[in-house]
Amino acid sequence: LAKTTQPISMDSYEGQEVNITCSHNNIATNDYITWYQQFPSQGPRFIIQGYKTKVTNEVASLFIPADRKSSTLSLPRVSLSDTAVYYCLVVNTGRRALTFGSGTRLQVQP
Amino acid sequence: ETGVTQTPRHLVMGMTNKKSLKCEQHLGHNAMYWYKQSAKKPLELMFVYSLEERVENNSVPSRFSPECPNSSHLFLHLHTLQPEDSALYLCASSQDSRVADQFFGPGTRLTVL
Repeated sequence: LAKTTQPISMDSYEGQEVNITCSHNNIATNDYITWYQQFPSQGPRFIIQGYKTKVTNEVASLFIPADRKSSTLSLPRVSLSDTAVYYCLVVNTGRRALTFGSGTRLQVQP
Repeated sequence: ETGVTQTPRHLVMGMTNKKSLKCEQHLGHNAMYWYKQSAKKPLELMFVYSLEERVENNSVPSRFSPECPNSSHLFLHLHTLQPEDSALYLCASSQDSRVADQFFGPGTRLTVL
């Protein structure tokens, strides 16, 4: 099971781009990198998933280098409503469970 | 979002009570999950159901008893809980039990006195 390491917290201001990096040194060939977002007193919400290179959707971009030992979630022009905890997960398609770490608490200031 | 609903949203119970948490998904998914989120701890998977069959039990104490009568409903029956069981209990569902795209409900905030 690949362990992930990400910063405990980050601060930003409205309108800035935020990049949250996650390291997963022992990622396996069958593993995908997945990010979730969680607001206080709510369940996590799937944001984005990727295997390698770059993935972009309406919410975020995910950058994965060739060695796949790290990944970066990029949130363009954050707003106050992006204040949340962001979880980086390494998910094996053969497993049933999602293993959540402590996540990165992002605080966006006005 | 109303894809996955949980009731009640808040529950306070004594250690001798018996209560049940309910989860319902309206997404046509085949897999459902119970997670526990304690203060200052990561989410912990408790149970996984796939096509109404329990396929994973993560060493959860027997005072937590899940039930999945059909693919749309999931219950967590609680009895003789301890104060340390106070937490946010989250239900999730996915198309099948081997995908990363899980949809979570809003959770039930449980307080055990």
